[in-house]
Amino acid sequence: GESVGLHLPTLSVQEGDNSIINCAYSNSASDYFIWYKQESGKGPQFIIDIRSNMDKRQGQRVTVLLNKTVKHLSLQIAATQPGDSAVYFCAENLSGGSYIPTFGRGTSLIVHP
Amino acid sequence: GAGVSQTPSNKVTEKGKYVELRCDPISGHTALYWYRQSLGQGPEFLIYFQGTGAADDSGLPNDRFFAVRPEGSVSTLKIQRTERGDSAVYLCASSTQSQGEQFFGPGTRLTVL
Repeated sequence: GESVGLHLPTLSVQEGDNSIINCAYSNSASDYFIWYKQESGKGPQFIIDIRSNMDKRQGQRVTVLLNKTVKHLSLQIAATQPGDSAVYFCAENLSGGSYIPTFGRGTSLIVHP
Repeated sequence: GAGVSQTPSNKVTEKGKYVELRCDPISGHTALYWYRQSLGQGPEFLIYFQGTGAADDSGLPNDRFFAVRPEGSVSTLKIQRTERGDSAVYLCASSTQSQGEQFFGPGTRLTVL
């Protein structure tokens, strides 16, 4: 039978377009969220984070939006470049205790030159 | 500066064998994490060290898995009586403190035949 885990959601964009990657998190008690980028053969790389007392945070070419009402995160990448091609994971962390992120499933971003 | 390094990069073993995977964290990082990543999935937490002690080992799947960090720097993940289901990429990450950004190594790809 089909292994759902092998089929990542995929977003294909043209170079220069803006990209939006979405993530639904599971635990309403989570208070810290991180986006990671993972290129083939490498470990995840921190992109941007946001705490639950914020709705929006901007970095260089990236913006993270947090909607706690519907438990939804999005990562917006402006002027997407071929080097942005990777798998993107959102991760949530429960309030209190040690920082052990729970990763979501991931979205594969493919940027066409 | 040097990032997190992991050795070996690839390990092929036979079912029932014992394996050790090594992680060299960034110098001075007190927190060290082990994750396991299966194909198409996000990293799954295994164990977290603060200094020499395991602060949280709730992610270890069973007693075949064990990890040590005797001097508070290098860590070794040990898997006894390997099973085919143990095949995955094993990632290590370190951070300056338990709440800090985690820096990931490239991972060790373990294949159990």
